[in-house]
Amino acid sequence: GESVGLHLPTLSVQEGDNSIINCAYSNSASDYFIWYKQESGKGPQFIIDIRSNMDKRQGQRVTVLLNKTVKHLSLQIAATQPGDSAVYFCAENKNGNKLVFGAGTILRVKS
Amino acid sequence: NAGVMQNPRHLVRRRGQEARLRCSPMKGHSHVYWYRQLPEEGLKFMVYLQKENIIDESGMPKERFSAEFPKEGPSILRIQQVVRGDSAAYFCASSSGTDYEQYFGPGTRLTVT
Repeated sequence: GESVGLHLPTLSVQEGDNSIINCAYSNSASDYFIWYKQESGKGPQFIIDIRSNMDKRQGQRVTVLLNKTVKHLSLQIAATQPGDSAVYFCAENKNGNKLVFGAGTILRVKS
Repeated sequence: NAGVMQNPRHLVRRRGQEARLRCSPMKGHSHVYWYRQLPEEGLKFMVYLQKENIIDESGMPKERFSAEFPKEGPSILRIQQVVRGDSAAYFCASSSGTDYEQYFGPGTRLTVT
C-alpha cells in the first residue's frame, strides 16, 4: 500500500548549522511532494513542494531534493534558527487528491 | 485574505455525545479535505469534498462519522456517539482545485471524556 515514512524521528542541530530531514516514500505513482512544518498547537504550514518531474527546488533558506530512483525526499534548511524548531512532515499527493503524510521528524534547534 | 477557519478550536464531549466540527475554506476554494492526527503521529486522510459532493471518503470510518460540504456554509465533520478513541486533532484543508497545494486550518482538538 501507500506509505510515506521518515528515517529519523528527532533531529537536534546547533543554531546556524544546516539541517537535513529525510523521507522515504513507496508510491512511485505519486507526482507531487510537499514539506510541511507544524508548530505545537497549530496546523501544518506549507514550506516547499516539488513535482515528480524535478530533482531539486529551492526556496528561501530551504531546498527540497527528490531522488526517484531510491524514492527518497529530503528537506535542507540553511542556517537553522530557533524559530525553525517544529515537527516536519513530508507528504505525497497523486492526482491532486488526498495527501499521504509521513510520521514526522522533530527538529530541535539549540542556541 | 482570511485563511482556513475551523471552529471550535477545542471541543470536549462525553462518551456517547455528538461532535460537530466546522471548516470554512479559504476564499475562492471549493475543495475541502479533512484529516485526523493522533498524538505523536502524522495526519491521516479522512475525506475529500467539493461543494455538495463527496469525492473520496476512503479514510472515513464506516460508522458514526459523516461529512458534508453544502452549497452554502461551512463543511461539517460529524461524529456521532463519540468514544475515547475519537480524541484527536482534526484538521481541515482547502484547495482551489487548479493546483495541488492544500492550505490547512488551525485544527479542532476533540477530547472525549
